[in-house]
Amino acid sequence: EAQVTQNPRYLITVTGKKLTVTCSQNMNHEYMSWYRQDPGLGLRQIYYSMNVEVTDKGDVPEGYKVSRKEKRNFPLILESPSPNQTSLYFCASKGLAQDTQYFGPGTRLTVL
Amino acid sequence: AQSVTQLGSHVSVSEGALVLLRCNYSSSVPPYLFWYVQYPNQGLQLLLKYTSAATLVKGINGFEAEFKKSETSFHLTKPSAHMSDAAEYFCAVSDRDTGNQFYFGTGTSLTVIP
Repeated sequence: EAQVTQNPRYLITVTGKKLTVTCSQNMNHEYMSWYRQDPGLGLRQIYYSMNVEVTDKGDVPEGYKVSRKEKRNFPLILESPSPNQTSLYFCASKGLAQDTQYFGPGTRLTVL
Repeated sequence: AQSVTQLGSHVSVSEGALVLLRCNYSSSVPPYLFWYVQYPNQGLQLLLKYTSAATLVKGINGFEAEFKKSETSFHLTKPSAHMSDAAEYFCAVSDRDTGNQFYFGTGTSLTVIP
């Protein structure tokens, strides 16, 4: 089954404790992206990647890092999480020649 | 940067009534346009998209949207609301030339009243 998976689905952590949210897709998509969803703000793009070792900033990259060492994986790294990063995070992927993104199920992160 | 405006953060309609969710974009060059639906505790599912073919686009679950360049709009409609349509709806755009950055509206929560 074609899908985008994220782990963990729920995470509660404390300020300053480094964490990684994983994202994996099995569709051989070149493009992958991370979004955060906040009430009243919709989804905002954090980072995107057009292929292995190619990443670029979206609208709200501050406080986040990403890496793209393999085509199927695109982890989101919070080196020193803060409470304002409490949010619902979505990973998405698509083929470069496609216009439609496929979204993962989301990761709900709470930073205390 | 692009921007997307969804008028009405909450819309309520009676079951069987017309659904109209509004979306306006800011670009002078028509972008790619999308409508996504999000059911409670789920990810986003594509309803329909406009990428330069017919201006009236039909999607899943009986939804359709019309691209109007003169009004920079891409409103979503459904002739007859069903209880199962209750969800959050997001309009999104991406640039035609790169297609790499996506901009979402703030969402419209649709309530269907029995």
